Amino acid sequence: DTEVTQTPKHLVMGMTNKKSLKCEQHMGHRAMYWYKQKAKKPPELMFVYSYEKLSINESVPSRFSPECPNSSLLNLHLHALQPEDSALYLCASSQGDRGGPREQYFGPGTRLTVT
Amino acid sequence: LAKTTQPISMDSYEGQEVNITCSHNNIATNDYITWYQQFPSQGPRFIIQGYKTKVTNEVASLFIPADRKSSTLSLPRVSLSDTAVYYCLVGDISSGSARQLTFGSGTQLTVLP
Repeated sequence: DTEVTQTPKHLVMGMTNKKSLKCEQHMGHRAMYWYKQKAKKPPELMFVYSYEKLSINESVPSRFSPECPNSSLLNLHLHALQPEDSALYLCASSQGDRGGPREQYFGPGTRLTVT
Repeated sequence: LAKTTQPISMDSYEGQEVNITCSHNNIATNDYITWYQQFPSQGPRFIIQGYKTKVTNEVASLFIPADRKSSTLSLPRVSLSDTAVYYCLVGDISSGSARQLTFGSGTQLTVLP
């Protein structure tokens, strides 16, 4: 199974709402990532978890809160978002072992619209 | 931070070989070069990865000169289904640290019949 799944596929939320994005992989990968992608732009790295610990936060505003409950799951909690946060949110995973394969496997993304 | 530069777009015809170049002048010693393909409303899909010289797999080749300041993705005999955005990514994620992972701006490849 080389699949990363993300739910929901689409999400519309108001600026006062609280919602969560979910990501799951069953490849035994120990590194998981959140990216944000605006239309016609490359993905931008937001967070990296390595062995269930947050290892990188790319200066992301606190209205985005990541969580890694276990090695297979990654959540992104959203609160008080702005319309400019509307984007495709991508989850990815990689083996995460030093010297191991370095390719990332991406999920299909969640299309988020903030109204 | 390894800033990467790619052509914005390229056109090709079915059956031709396509070469897409990515410039990464300040690539770090531990950085690898990875290419991804992305279709609209989908996540990027891994194509190929290399550190130096040449790497070939069943779908593409990757050429990296000795100074590693650029790389070229080569797609042999493209088909209409290869129409997509191609990204080069420079960085090191070997230990999950994802040091300064930076996607290039992407190249929109359009394959014409």
